Amino acid sequence: DIQMTQSPSTLSASVGDRVTITCRASQSISSWLAWYQQKPGKAPKLLIYKASILESGVPSRFSGSGSGTEFTLSISSLQPDDLATYYCQQYQSYSPLTFGGGTKVEIK
Amino acid sequence: QVQLQESGPGLVKPSETLSLTCNVSGNPISSGFYWGWIRQPPGKGLEWVGGYYDSDNIHYNPPLKGRLTISEDASKKHFSLKLSSVTAADTAVYYCAASKGGQPLFDYWGQGTLVTVSS
Repeated sequence: DIQMTQSPSTLSASVGDRVTITCRASQSISSWLAWYQQKPGKAPKLLIYKASILESGVPSRFSGSGSGTEFTLSISSLQPDDLATYYCQQYQSYSPLTFGGGTKVEIK
Repeated sequence: QVQLQESGPGLVKPSETLSLTCNVSGNPISSGFYWGWIRQPPGKGLEWVGGYYDSDNIHYNPPLKGRLTISEDASKKHFSLKLSSVTAADTAVYYCAASKGGQPLFDYWGQGTLVTVSS
């Protein structure tokens, strides 16, 4: 299995701050990485795919970077609506598809 | 635009079979999409259950493989999940999801349905 490790597990930041979440893969996944946002009680929403391509309709304050084993999701200016848990997912391998453990973003 | 809606019992007894259906509207189930199931135990993270492109390309999460069947209805208006011999560890919100780009990531999601395994 390809293990996906996210850090931190929780972060607290103020409105307007730049926020960065890291996702590390246990082996190279090239750029086959997606990021999702999950708000409380809701289904996840795709934010970014192929490591850095912004899904249509997603605010431009979100960005993704990385390749191989290390990836980041950044929010350039944190907004109150960004309160959520964020997950990475590798899709290099079906055996199995795997998600990171999640990063909960709290607003100070 | 694809809309997905899960349906099925909210309570299943241990050792029985969990059966869920994902109703697809907006577009029939068609080639080029990837269709899948993801679950989330209460208060925990996301776990991929399985998914498929077509009847010849079905993928299961290995720990579930012996208990899991994913199938598509011939009408191409819904697909299903059956998980046998369930235990409390299978208690979760189950989501059906889809990818229009054909890659196994998910840009369409159902709202999710909580399935509790308890006697």
